[in-house]
Amino acid sequence: GNSVTQMEGPVTLSEEAFLTINCTYTATGYPSLFWYVQYPGEGLQLLLKATKADDKGSNKGFEATYRKETTSFHLEKGSVQVSDSAVYFCALSNNNDMRFGAGTRLTVKP
Amino acid sequence: GAGVSQSPSNKVTEKGKDVELRCDPISGHTALYWYRQSLGQGLEFLIYFQGNSAPDKSGLPSDRFSAERTGGSVSTLTIQRTQQEDSAVYLCASSWRTSGGLANTGELFFGEGSRLTVL
Repeated sequence: GNSVTQMEGPVTLSEEAFLTINCTYTATGYPSLFWYVQYPGEGLQLLLKATKADDKGSNKGFEATYRKETTSFHLEKGSVQVSDSAVYFCALSNNNDMRFGAGTRLTVKP
Repeated sequence: GAGVSQSPSNKVTEKGKDVELRCDPISGHTALYWYRQSLGQGLEFLIYFQGNSAPDKSGLPSDRFSAERTGGSVSTLTIQRTQQEDSAVYLCASSWRTSGGLANTGELFFGEGSRLTVL
């Protein structure tokens, strides 16, 4: 079946630190991969996506590369800000079956 | 508004009572999903509706849970004989149908959720 495993949190970083949140997946076929973000008090929203192997999704300074050989889609940002504090969810879509990881809470301190 | 609307936003109920949670998807979206988000847990898939096809109910945790989608639009998630472990935020999301079952954008649009507390 389809599943996503992501790095457990919580993660606490200082402003301008480098961020990596690991995500690996299991799927049949050719899934699309996503990162969703949930800011405090808000609903989930799409952060970035990649629809095929070697694609790189990017948005708001965040990046993730679809690595089929390692079945991974790690989220990275070179310099985090306090406003990046949120819960980040890795997700997989396979024939409209959409599955999410457990979420990783990121707190960025000034 | 143009987004996914869920009601009620908060529901407190006593153990053993039945509850209904409503989701109004974005107009024109044919796919509708229900997820459950428990404290400290990720998003647990519950059920998926796509147009007039039979729903994928594989995520429903027990037969106390059921959902329907009338007219391909509004959906209701019903929990019968609620238990304390049902306490969670229930999230609804909608999306466009994608051609051939392959994710085109795959983007889901989420409502703000219904927080259920079972005492």
